[in-house]
Amino acid sequence: SQTIHQWPATLVQPVGSPLSLECTVEGTSNPNLYWYRQAAGRGLQLLFYSIGIDQISSEVPQNLSASRPQDRQFILSSKKLLLSDSGFYLCAARYYGYTFGSGTRLTVV
Amino acid sequence: ELKVEQNPLFLSMQEGKNYTIYCNYSTTSDRLYWYRQDPGKSLESLFVLLSNGAVKQEGRLMASLDTKARLSTLHITAAVHDLSATYFCAVHNTNAGKSTFGDGTTLTVKP
Repeated sequence: SQTIHQWPATLVQPVGSPLSLECTVEGTSNPNLYWYRQAAGRGLQLLFYSIGIDQISSEVPQNLSASRPQDRQFILSSKKLLLSDSGFYLCAARYYGYTFGSGTRLTVV
Repeated sequence: ELKVEQNPLFLSMQEGKNYTIYCNYSTTSDRLYWYRQDPGKSLESLFVLLSNGAVKQEGRLMASLDTKARLSTLHITAAVHDLSATYFCAVHNTNAGKSTFGDGTTLTVKP
């Protein structure tokens, strides 16, 4: 089975500051990895997904970027945060079904 | 583009009652997932449905899949308060390598 480690759990950042959220996966090799954002307790919006090292697909044009420097590491970044970047960010790995990390609640102030 | 529609979006029910949540999707798919999310928490996998007619049950929850109708249902039997949560279905597009999630059904079970 897979375990997703995601940190930090909560983050409060000022507008215009940079962002780096990290996700690591245990228990499987070469997983498909995903970053989702959930706003205001509603549905999940797919931001990025990756089928392998340095292979990133962007779903929504925005202020964010993603990188996968190692097989089991997926990083979500921003150079300058916007208020609209606030939300609950979830990393997920898919092997059979999706396994989600515990999430990062980001508040941009 | 794959569209996934869940209904209802909000459901309030009495303990002991039965109800069904529906998940409709717009294109063919090879698998469908159901997840549970408690407030402020991440998503927990409930079921993976892989073929037409698949039915899976866990406790008071039963999920089924009709690929011809492009419909999955999550049936709740004799609801209890502990089932209060938001339930999501997600439909996988194998060619694209990604899934589309419904907007979720927020279930509140009242004593």
